[in-house]
Amino acid sequence: ETGVTQTPRHLVMGMTNKKSLKCEQHLGHNAMYWYKQSAKKPLELMFVYSLEERVENNSVPSRFSPECPNSSHLFLHLHTLQPEDSALYLCASAAELAGHYNEQFFGPGTRLTVL
Amino acid sequence: AQSVTQLDSQVPVFEEAPVELRCNYSSSVSVYLFWYVQYPNQGLQLLLKYLSGSTLVKGINGFEAEFNKSQTSFHLRKPSVHISDTAEYFCAVSEAGGGNKLTFGTGTQLKVEL
Repeated sequence: ETGVTQTPRHLVMGMTNKKSLKCEQHLGHNAMYWYKQSAKKPLELMFVYSLEERVENNSVPSRFSPECPNSSHLFLHLHTLQPEDSALYLCASAAELAGHYNEQFFGPGTRLTVL
Repeated sequence: AQSVTQLDSQVPVFEEAPVELRCNYSSSVSVYLFWYVQYPNQGLQLLLKYLSGSTLVKGINGFEAEFNKSQTSFHLRKPSVHISDTAEYFCAVSEAGGGNKLTFGTGTQLKVEL
């Protein structure tokens, strides 16, 4: 595997289910991100992890719970979601150097449908 | 805080015709500017970026963009499009020297027709 991979690619869940999204980067990066992409809306940055510590949480509801066990893996744990949470969830990674721009590399996304 | 406006949600164009996708931004500080492309069922791929220097930036697949500070614009152009350019295009901005936090526009769907 190369680049940034995400599993599953598609997920359908009921509002009472618990599921997890997985992201893995094979680029040796030290920062990982979760974005939410909804139709006709800008990509929304949800969480940022740098060196496995969460450095940003953009007022995301607690029904979304991120986990970064190491620099290569990022999870998004989901529970008691709402239909409006249906979206494409994108993971990205970057090699962060303070004060520099570093390109973010995106995974293909997980298409989530909440019934 | 920054914001990005992509006024055109859809742009239809015939193959081999030129195309321009518009992007305007708002920021109180210096910015970096980006264009990303998203093909169906795929993640975002960086097309090109402006960090500093020449205001005309060339990217992959024959695309280019021009940074216009006075008009706060960063329009994307291609002189001759191909069917394979059909995709969604996103303009994004970040604070210069401020790390990797990107603010995205709503996207423009480019549809190339025969």
